[in-house]
Amino acid sequence: KAGVTQTPRYLIKTRGQQVTLSCSPISGHRSVSWYQQTPGQGLQFLFEYFSETQRNKGNFPGRFSGRQFSNSRSEMNVSTLELGDSALYLCASSQTSGYNEQFFGPGTRLTVL
Amino acid sequence: SQQGEEDPQALSIQEGENATMNCSYKTSINNLQWYRQNSGRGLVHLILIRSNEREKHSGRLRVTLDTSKKSSSLLITASRAADTASYFCATGDRRTSGSRLTFGEGTQLTVNP
Repeated sequence: KAGVTQTPRYLIKTRGQQVTLSCSPISGHRSVSWYQQTPGQGLQFLFEYFSETQRNKGNFPGRFSGRQFSNSRSEMNVSTLELGDSALYLCASSQTSGYNEQFFGPGTRLTVL
Repeated sequence: SQQGEEDPQALSIQEGENATMNCSYKTSINNLQWYRQNSGRGLVHLILIRSNEREKHSGRLRVTLDTSKKSSSLLITASRAADTASYFCATGDRRTSGSRLTFGEGTQLTVNP
């Protein structure tokens, strides 16, 4: 089976712009979670989508949003980018929602200038 | 904020030696997972141990879990240069539903050839 894929792998944006990141989970996996990784804050949970519904949300401002499509693919959007949004954004998929193994994609490296 | 703390933050050993990393957490958990990350790339799932398990093995990996002390350890035996990476523990909080993971700060392991 193909692993979790994320596009794009690298992205450079300027402050105030918005960005959309995409994640395709492992075939058959229905839960997709998003995490932000920065040197200062480490790995932090953004949100989880399961069956096209947001299941959990982390402590991030409303500028961060996401959605999931009927084929389980997920997108996350960040509006009005700030310098502090520069990070590695990781997507993880698991078969169902709950405490199962999560499999991570390679991440999207976002740089905000 | 990170729930867990990992100890040590950095570990440098010679090939063939064993490496032990520790993780502490604060809440009641469903399970604890260990992940490896190579230099700014995606996370690779290593092993999952459930809250009712005390020890688990996978190849050269041995994980222990002590829920009374809220701690876990990861032992890598006969280390190789390819084991050089950051290692993270991640917990699923029993009080929340879904797939939300809380990560520790990670241990940077360097295995010298």
